[in-house]
Amino acid sequence: GAGVSQSPSNKVTEKGKDVELRCDPISGHTALYWYRQSLGQGLEFLIYFQGNSAPDKSGLPSDRFSAERTGGSVSTLTIQRTQQEDSAVYLCASSLRGTGVGTEAFFGQGTRLTVV
Amino acid sequence: AQKVTQAQTEISVVEKEDVTLDCVYETRDTTYYLFWYKQPPSGELVFLIRRNSFDEQNEISGRYSWNFQKSTSSFNFTITASQVVDSAVYFCALSETSGYSTLTFGKGTMLLVSP
Repeated sequence: GAGVSQSPSNKVTEKGKDVELRCDPISGHTALYWYRQSLGQGLEFLIYFQGNSAPDKSGLPSDRFSAERTGGSVSTLTIQRTQQEDSAVYLCASSLRGTGVGTEAFFGQGTRLTVV
Repeated sequence: AQKVTQAQTEISVVEKEDVTLDCVYETRDTTYYLFWYKQPPSGELVFLIRRNSFDEQNEISGRYSWNFQKSTSSFNFTITASQVVDSAVYFCALSETSGYSTLTFGKGTMLLVSP
């Protein structure tokens, strides 16, 4: 597709359930990022994938959060045993290379997660 | 550690006014990149500009202009003759090159342009 695609766009889940969020990056982009946007916290980095390198997981808030990127393309962010504080918009972005070499990141429209 | 500060939480202007959004950053790197993104009500972050730390030339793109001043660690964004469609949250972000390739965002400035 032309842009970064995320699904679902909205997800309501019960506390304690697991959820999976999907991101389809722009074709050919080697770098993929997950961010979380919540009220009062702004945009927080979660995890970064670059090519076949080990991901940078330094932003994941707890071991309930994990992500994988299969075949260097689609990525899935999994949250286990969801808590109400996990409610946020989860944004995925991709860039041609890492943004540290000056390449802009393109963002998807996000998945709004509500934990009830 | 890097940090981006957008001191203005919310700005309200009337259409056709000029408005400047402030951004101040902190980094220990000598080489870094600065970005501005726009987030309209639809929610998607839209890339506006990227500037590297070696290029202090101001840039103009239509009604948008950016003023990068290394001496004050600022990268301010001005919208000239604002329009209602400019209403959005604007984020300033920093990316360092020393091994850490992700974006550090400011908290954002909500701009409301009324007719």
